[in-house]
Amino acid sequence: GAVVSQHPSWVICKSGTSVKIECRSLDFQATTMFWYRQFPKQSLMLMATSNEGSKATYEQGVEKDKFLINHASLTLSTLTVTSAHPEDSSFYICSARRTSGSYNEQFFGPGTRLTVL
Amino acid sequence: DAKTTQPPSMDCAEGRAANLPCNHSTISGNEYVYWYRQIHSQGPQYIIHGLKNNETNEMASLIITEDRKSSTLILPHATLRDTAVYYCIVRVMRGNQFYFGTGTSLTVIP
Repeated sequence: GAVVSQHPSWVICKSGTSVKIECRSLDFQATTMFWYRQFPKQSLMLMATSNEGSKATYEQGVEKDKFLINHASLTLSTLTVTSAHPEDSSFYICSARRTSGSYNEQFFGPGTRLTVL
Repeated sequence: DAKTTQPPSMDCAEGRAANLPCNHSTISGNEYVYWYRQIHSQGPQYIIHGLKNNETNEMASLIITEDRKSSTLILPHATLRDTAVYYCIVRVMRGNQFYFGTGTSLTVIP
């Protein structure tokens, strides 16, 4: 299967700082990537859809100015959590969509654990 | 929004078949049923998907009822490494987003 990586795998930061998380599709090009957030013992919640070369589409209730998404290339999307606060501590997961003919699949990254002190 | 209903938890003895049910009574004609699983603190892993026919791969089998309102994921010989949360998702084939429901936490018991 295709490989999606995330960096860093975990990060600890102070309240008020910004944190950037990278999502890369390693062996395929992805025009569309997705960002999810998962709190302990809860399911994945879709935050936004990242489109290469255009603005991201955010789900209802997700602050676009707080969670900045950039999809500058076909293999890289970044999520920046600006002015992070303890309530932003969560597990952030990306996925990348690979399209082949009439079929598309999504491959998930391993996740990034963010802890805001 | 998630359009599936799954039991919150299940246990299965190691070596036995694990049968995980999913209800999707409002599924549309062009929506597929996907199954993913998430082992603790990892990203979701694709298992299988299907439209209306039963499907089988090296990991599992997917049985979809004739009216397509429910399905069952079968792990034929569960191992301890199959302990995970299993998510059933419905989505159109060329659709974008996956909306995850609450999933079923499967515990395989030695």
